Amino acid sequence: DARVTQTPRHKVTEMGQEVTMRCQPILGHNTVFWYRQTMMQGLELLAYFRNRAPLDDSGMPKDRFSAEMPDATLATLKIQPSEPRDSAVYFCASGWAGTVNNEQFFGPGTRLTVL
Amino acid sequence: SQQGEEDPQALSIQEGENATMNCSYKTSINNLQWYRQNSGRGLVHLILIRSNEREKHSGRLRVTLDTSKKSSSLLITASRAADTASYFCATDLGANSKLTFGKGITLSVRP
Repeated sequence: DARVTQTPRHKVTEMGQEVTMRCQPILGHNTVFWYRQTMMQGLELLAYFRNRAPLDDSGMPKDRFSAEMPDATLATLKIQPSEPRDSAVYFCASGWAGTVNNEQFFGPGTRLTVL
Repeated sequence: SQQGEEDPQALSIQEGENATMNCSYKTSINNLQWYRQNSGRGLVHLILIRSNEREKHSGRLRVTLDTSKKSSSLLITASRAADTASYFCATDLGANSKLTFGKGITLSVRP
């Protein structure tokens, strides 16, 4: 049963600390997306990759956020330094671009609390 | 504002009733998708309708698309308590497989 996995599932940290979130996309998928979900803003696209290359990270605060795909089985989202306003649920999703049915498969999310 | 906006924001119905949720969008799309999110979970894809399709069915789900009105509706027939969740529409503009999600509709189905 192929699924997107994310670690950690929950993270509580103090303001100023570095946070790293990891995602393992479904094997064979060629696109990976990072989203942030809050009550106020809903689901926001932060960044996405195709074939491990970043296509768009315009939704991401550049000064503190960074997203990478070191290899096809791992995507990372880092926040340094973290701030209380970064508290949210961060979702990773993967899919297969180049088909007409480009549904996305979401991971369970990382719930981040920055104190 | 959002590319896809759902209506209503919240819906409460009795088990067995039908639930209708609407989505409006602003620009031409390649396809429109509906997702469900249970509390504390990630989104799950429900159904996709392409811009050249007008109606699609999947089990108890029926989705329609009116490109002239730039709107879509999702109908869940014979609702169950397990259908309680948030439902999102997402539009694909055809560029790089990126989806734009609405803010979601909270559906509560009372047993």
